[in-house]
Amino acid sequence: GQSLEQPSEVTAVEGAIVQINCTYQTSGFYGLSWYQQHDGGAPTFLSYNALDGLEETGRFSSFLSRSDSYGYLLLQELQMKDSASYFCAAPGAGTALIFGKGTTLSVSS
Amino acid sequence: EAQVTQNPRYLITVTGKKLTVTCSQNMNHEYMSWYRQDPGLGLRQIYYSMNVEVTDKGDVPEGYKVSRKEKRNFPLILESPSPNQTSLYFCASRAGGPSTDTQYFGPGTRLTVL
Repeated sequence: GQSLEQPSEVTAVEGAIVQINCTYQTSGFYGLSWYQQHDGGAPTFLSYNALDGLEETGRFSSFLSRSDSYGYLLLQELQMKDSASYFCAAPGAGTALIFGKGTTLSVSS
Repeated sequence: EAQVTQNPRYLITVTGKKLTVTCSQNMNHEYMSWYRQDPGLGLRQIYYSMNVEVTDKGDVPEGYKVSRKEKRNFPLILESPSPNQTSLYFCASRAGGPSTDTQYFGPGTRLTVL
């Protein structure tokens, strides 16, 4: 079946670096996206990797390896406001977008 | 401002009473979809639409209906709601095609079925 697997929880302290991994199994793979969701809010787009390699957007970076069916989101210089859930997503059958179950990141001072 | 709107934001209803959650986007996006989010289960797709009059089932379509008569609107219909449909619902849109990156989400509708 089609699925994306990611850790359920990650904890870190302010100023640290954290990596959230995502392994996927989908048909017709086009790229891997990452979304952030604060408690009770709507998911918001963070990044997208269509090709292998690293994409950097400010403190956040995302990496994709198609040969390994693997990607990760790297968050640097962590701040308290980064405490949220992070989802990886990829196209599934047709144009449906499949999401992982999410990783809850807790940042402490 | 580019946005996806949903109404209502909060709804408490009773079993069997038909309801509709509206969704509208102002970005002229072809692709729209509905998700439900439940603790520990992440975002699960209910239905999606690739354009006007084109809809398809997602992972959890049972008990739901949708329609896409206009490009901007994609209402979610629960003909006979049941307590297991208590959830947080999100509408989303994107420009179209599986290679498109950004998907925009509405603010969510928290539904409780008693």
